[in-house]
Amino acid sequence: GENVEQHPSTLSVQEGDSAVIKCTYSDSASNYFPWYKQELGKGPQLIIDIRSNVGEKKDQRIAVTLNKTAKHFSLHITETQPEDSAVYFCAARDRGSTLGRLYFGRGTQLTVWP
Amino acid sequence: DADVTQTPRNRITKTGKRIMLECSQTKGHDRMYWYRQDPGLGLRLIYYSFDVKDINKGEISDGYSVSRQAQAKFSLSLESAIPNQTALYFCATSDALPGTSSNEQFFGPGTRLTVL
Repeated sequence: GENVEQHPSTLSVQEGDSAVIKCTYSDSASNYFPWYKQELGKGPQLIIDIRSNVGEKKDQRIAVTLNKTAKHFSLHITETQPEDSAVYFCAARDRGSTLGRLYFGRGTQLTVWP
Repeated sequence: DADVTQTPRNRITKTGKRIMLECSQTKGHDRMYWYRQDPGLGLRLIYYSFDVKDINKGEISDGYSVSRQAQAKFSLSLESAIPNQTALYFCATSDALPGTSSNEQFFGPGTRLTVL
C-alpha cells in the first residue's frame, strides 16, 4: 500500500511568518492529496486538497503544491496567526482505491507564537 | 447537532475487559471508518465499511472487530482490551466515489480510551 512521510514533526514560528510542511508519497498511482487540521480536543478537519492534474491550489492564506515527478506535496501557510496552531496531517489516496481510503502522514504539530 | 458523534468520549477500563465504541452519523454517507491516533504515529486505519454489507480490515485490525448495524451506525469492539490499545479513536465518514469532486472524510470528536 501507499506510504506517506511527513516532515517536520514539530514546527514553531512567530506570528506573521510563513510555515511549510512537506510530505512524500510512494505510490505513483495516487491522485488525491488532502490536508487535515486537528485542533486540540477535536477530530481532524479538511482544510485544502489537491488532485494530481493540478500543480498548485490556494485558499486565502493556505496553499498546497504538488510535484508528481518527485512524488511530494507541501502545505504553505502565510501570515501565520495563533489560531493556526494545531496538528496538521497530509494524506494520499491511490487511484485504485474504490473505497476512498486515505493513507495519512504522522502529523506536524505547528505552534504559532504571538 | 454534530454530524458525526462518538460515544463514550472518554473511557477507562481494565485489561481483559470487552469494550465497545459507538459511532453515529447524520450525513447519510455510505462509507465509514475507524482510526486510531497515537502520538507521533498519526492516524492509522483499523476497519472501514463501504456499506452495511461490507467490512474491510485496515492496517491494524488485530485485536479489534466492528459491526455496521445500519448506514448510520458503525461500532468498534475490543474483545479483550490490553494496555497498548490505549489511544485516541476516531470514527469518520465519506460519501463520494473517488472520481467525483468530493472526497472529504468527516471525523467525529474522538474517544479517548485508557486500558489499565
